[in-house]
Amino acid sequence: AQTVTQSQPEMSVQEAETVTLSCTYDTSENNYYLFWYKQPPSRQMILVIRQEAYKQQNATENRFSVNFQKAAKSFSLKISDSQLGDTAMYFCAFMIGGNQFYFGTGTSLTVIP
Amino acid sequence: NAGVTQTPKFQVLKTGQSMTLQCAQDMNHEYMSWYRQDPGMGLRLIHYSVGAGITDQGEVPNGYNVSRSTTEDFPLRLLSAAPSQTSVYFCASRTFYNEQFFGPGTRLTVL
Repeated sequence: AQTVTQSQPEMSVQEAETVTLSCTYDTSENNYYLFWYKQPPSRQMILVIRQEAYKQQNATENRFSVNFQKAAKSFSLKISDSQLGDTAMYFCAFMIGGNQFYFGTGTSLTVIP
Repeated sequence: NAGVTQTPKFQVLKTGQSMTLQCAQDMNHEYMSWYRQDPGMGLRLIHYSVGAGITDQGEVPNGYNVSRSTTEDFPLRLLSAAPSQTSVYFCASRTFYNEQFFGPGTRLTVL
């Protein structure tokens, strides 16, 4: 079975500080892609960052970076210099088999001014 | 580009009624998908398509039908709505490089 676990239902961070959201997953596949999506109150799903499992180098996108530990099946998201606009639900997901996506249950992040 | 569009934004149905949720994309993406989002459960894949004329089941396909007659459109049909289908539905399309674009969602309530 394919599963994604986000063990932190809610988190908060002070503006300008750094926060890390955790994600673990389970799959028997060797080739897959990992993603973090952001869902603000508007409900729109927005891709934050993606990582190919065959790449050892951790992906970065501006203030967002990941810590990908393939052996541990861990894929955490670090947000640096947190901004008020980062307040949202964050979903971890992975894709196998060309189009089978599996999502975690989400972490609600609040950035405190 | 409008991206991925979904209609309607909100819908209320009675048990047993049928309806079609519309989804269209203007980015010429081959891959399209339908998800449902329920409280505390994240997004779950209902059906997906890898191109016109080709569809397949996802994680929770029961009670839903899809078809893909054109690259642009991927409608989701509920043949006989049930209260368990109350949810927010998202359509998505993605590039070959796995960047997935989501529509704004449809909030469906089945009474």
